[in-house]
Amino acid sequence: QSVLTQPPSVSGAPGQRVTISCTGNSSNIGAGYHVNWYQQLPGTAPKLLIYGDSSRPSGVPDRFSGSKSGSSASLAITGLQAEDEADYCCQSYDSSLSGSVFGSGTTVTVL
Amino acid sequence: QVQLQESGPGLVKPAETLSLACSVSAGSMSGHYWSWIRQPAGKGLEWIGRFFSSGSTNYNPSFKSRVTMSVDASKNQFLMSLRSVTAADTAVYYCARHSSPHTSFDYWGQGILVTVSS
Repeated sequence: QSVLTQPPSVSGAPGQRVTISCTGNSSNIGAGYHVNWYQQLPGTAPKLLIYGDSSRPSGVPDRFSGSKSGSSASLAITGLQAEDEADYCCQSYDSSLSGSVFGSGTTVTVL
Repeated sequence: QVQLQESGPGLVKPAETLSLACSVSAGSMSGHYWSWIRQPAGKGLEWIGRFFSSGSTNYNPSFKSRVTMSVDASKNQFLMSLRSVTAADTAVYYCARHSSPHTSFDYWGQGILVTVSS
């Protein structure tokens, strides 16, 4: 069972905005540790999408944005495109584990 | 551009040891953290542990009694052995790089599927 909680799936029509939540606790997100987001296409390795709560690596479209408040974080995708169909996973550091924890992953479907 | 490549057997028998290597190219291993992460089919990612180039390690308590991580500097490889495997250890195993224990994983290997079965 994953330490960080995400909804199993979200969906939206092309051009719409969708958000994915990631809920942790006082030993990870709530302790102030950064949240990172990864995009995983079927059969491929995760790709870093958002780091440090809200920063985008070079090459990631600005349609993707991240935010954090308290023990939760969110990933927003605006102007949804067919190529955005993938699994999205959040990750943070957990002090009780002295290591990384991940969310269970959310599948984004473009209707 | 740093590249990571996992290698090892795709099939391991129950109760045996799973040994994997992560080859790092186009970059030095020093000054970075290297983690192993796994993903059972249809499930989420799970952090197994990390190794720092100085030799220090941190393991997920769920694996602590069974896992050992090390480096072969001569081959620029990061190694993992997981002992006493069961079917529950069947997963895709990834190696990944990060700058500190608290930061994101910026480079990932393509992953290697390891099946535990007799």
